[in-house]
Amino acid sequence: EGQVLESGGGLVLPGGSLRLSCAASGLTLSSYAMTWVRQAPGKGLEWVSTTSNSGGSTYYVDSVKGRFTISRDNSQNTLYLQMNSLRAEDTAVYFCATGRGYFHHWGQGTLVTVSS
Amino acid sequence: EIVLTQSPGTLSLSPGERATLSCRATQSVRSNYLAWYQQKPGQAPRLLIYDAARRATGIPDRFSGSGSGTDFTLTISRLEPEDFAVYYCQQYGSLWTFGQGTKVEIK
Repeated sequence: EGQVLESGGGLVLPGGSLRLSCAASGLTLSSYAMTWVRQAPGKGLEWVSTTSNSGGSTYYVDSVKGRFTISRDNSQNTLYLQMNSLRAEDTAVYFCATGRGYFHHWGQGTLVTVSS
Repeated sequence: EIVLTQSPGTLSLSPGERATLSCRATQSVRSNYLAWYQQKPGQAPRLLIYDAARRATGIPDRFSGSGSGTDFTLTISRLEPEDFAVYYCQQYGSLWTFGQGTKVEIK
């Protein structure tokens, strides 16, 4: 069974930047649209961003538009989320998942904490 | 934006009982593009149901989904100990949104 694994989370100051990665094993990332979903501590799930198989189409929740950029390198079987101008309310576990409709394979998530 | 409202917020039941979870949308979900996920503490969500009523691979048949338009239901016919968790609905008919979750706890 294929897996995805996130990395790149950590503690960052408000206004700072972070790049998350999502590496796939046992599955070919180029076969899937890919998505980032986040979960603030003790809260529910929130869709953040989705990219098509090729990366040619991208979608964002309004609260991150202009600050976050989703991208992918299919040759490296890796998905990215570049996060700029981070705010306290971006603090969450960030999951990557396969799919552009429902989400089938999920990683275990990486924690991003935005705090001074 | 389609807003999904799940009810109840918490469901207290005993093993062996039937669980009925509701998900209501503020507008009709195109083609009934609605999914259900299960999440346990410290774990990633797990896909249970997609297209409102199709079980994902490996999901036991005690889980079933139904509904259309704006009203959807996840039913767990007989609760097993491992079913106590938080459940989320998600629509993918118009961008993507999740409900706020229903916690199924042991009574």
